[in-house]
Amino acid sequence: DTEVTQTPKHLVMGMTNKKSLKCEQHMGHRAMYWYKQKAKKPPELMFVYSYEKLSINESVPSRFSPECPNSSLLNLHLHALQPEDSALYLCASSPQRELITEAFFGQGTRLTVV
Amino acid sequence: GEDVEQSLFLSVREGDSSVINCTYTDSSSTYLYWYKQEPGAGLQLLTYIFSNMDMKQDQRLTVLLNKKDKHLSLRIADTQTGDSAIYFCAERTGFQKLVFGTGTRLLVSP
Repeated sequence: DTEVTQTPKHLVMGMTNKKSLKCEQHMGHRAMYWYKQKAKKPPELMFVYSYEKLSINESVPSRFSPECPNSSLLNLHLHALQPEDSALYLCASSPQRELITEAFFGQGTRLTVV
Repeated sequence: GEDVEQSLFLSVREGDSSVINCTYTDSSSTYLYWYKQEPGAGLQLLTYIFSNMDMKQDQRLTVLLNKKDKHLSLRIADTQTGDSAIYFCAERTGFQKLVFGTGTRLLVSP
């Protein structure tokens, strides 16, 4: 299994809703990442978890709350989002704490905030 | 700085070679990557190069790195219509962060 699986593929939520994005990998990778990609822009790093501990938070607003319940699973909890948060949210994983060779990316969750 | 620049658009005919260029600014970058993104999809790693190399070849792909000029290029030989996508270069900054370029949209016409 060499996949990073993200669910849901698409999500539409209102500004008062609470929702969660889910990311799963079964490759035994010890680092997992959340990236945000706005339309026609490159992906930008949001969070990094190493060995289930948050190691990087790129000054992301608190309405985005990451969680890593175990080494295979990464969640992104969303609350009180704004329309400008609409984007493709990409999860990635890499084998080691230090990103050496590659990060495997999921297909993303396309989020629309209305 | 962490700016990674790419030209926006490249159009080639099927069978031609494509060359996509990238300029980065972080001289401490140790790994540089090329990713492909098809419409509505995630990112697929194509290849990467370590900063002590100046060239890497992998089937139809050739990566050239000029550290002095901080210039990276990706050459795709015998370009096919299935190669049409957005191509991102990326540099690793620190231990865990990838900074992506602005992306180049490659259009391959029959």
